[in-house]
Amino acid sequence: EAQVTQNPRYLITVTGKKLTVTCSQNMNHEYMSWYRQDPGLGLRQIYYSMNVEVTDKGDVPEGYKVSRKEKRNFPLILESPSPNQTSLYFCASSRADRETQYFGPGTRLLVL
Amino acid sequence: GENVEQHPSTLSVQEGDSAVIKCTYSDSASNYFPWYKQELGKRPQLIIDIRSNVGEKKDQRIAVTLNKTAKHFSLHITETQPEDSAVYFCAAKLGSTLGRLYFGRGTQLTVWP
Repeated sequence: EAQVTQNPRYLITVTGKKLTVTCSQNMNHEYMSWYRQDPGLGLRQIYYSMNVEVTDKGDVPEGYKVSRKEKRNFPLILESPSPNQTSLYFCASSRADRETQYFGPGTRLLVL
Repeated sequence: GENVEQHPSTLSVQEGDSAVIKCTYSDSASNYFPWYKQELGKRPQLIIDIRSNVGEKKDQRIAVTLNKTAKHFSLHITETQPEDSAVYFCAAKLGSTLGRLYFGRGTQLTVWP
């Protein structure tokens, strides 16, 4: 089944404790992206990747890192999480830029 | 960067009526405009998209129109049904910068039976 998966789905952590949210797709998509969703603000792009080893900043990249060492995986790293990073995070992938994006199920993060 | 404004933020309609959601964008070079539907507790899913070389696109009860001169695009849902109730997001891709996608803030559509 073609899909985008994220892990974990739910995470409660404390300020400053490094964490990684994984994202994987099995559709051989070139393009992958991370978004955060906050009430009243819609979806905001954090980072995106046009292909392996090619990543770039979106609208709200501060406090986040990403890597794209393999085509299928695009992990989101929070080196030192802060409470303002409490949010719902979505990973998405598409065959190419300007094509249909398929979203993962989301990761709900609470930073205390 | 791009700025996408979406209106209204909430919309209530009676079953069978039409619903229209409007978005405006700031960058005249934007050339790809998808619409996503997000049901409560679910992930966003693409429902329709339009590219800048097309003025209108239809898919059954859903249509999207694009006015490049005025820099706005709209989602039209006809014969609404309760299962159309969801949050709808418009988005725009810049023509000049690959990879960036800008979303509107969303419209909560409620269809009353």
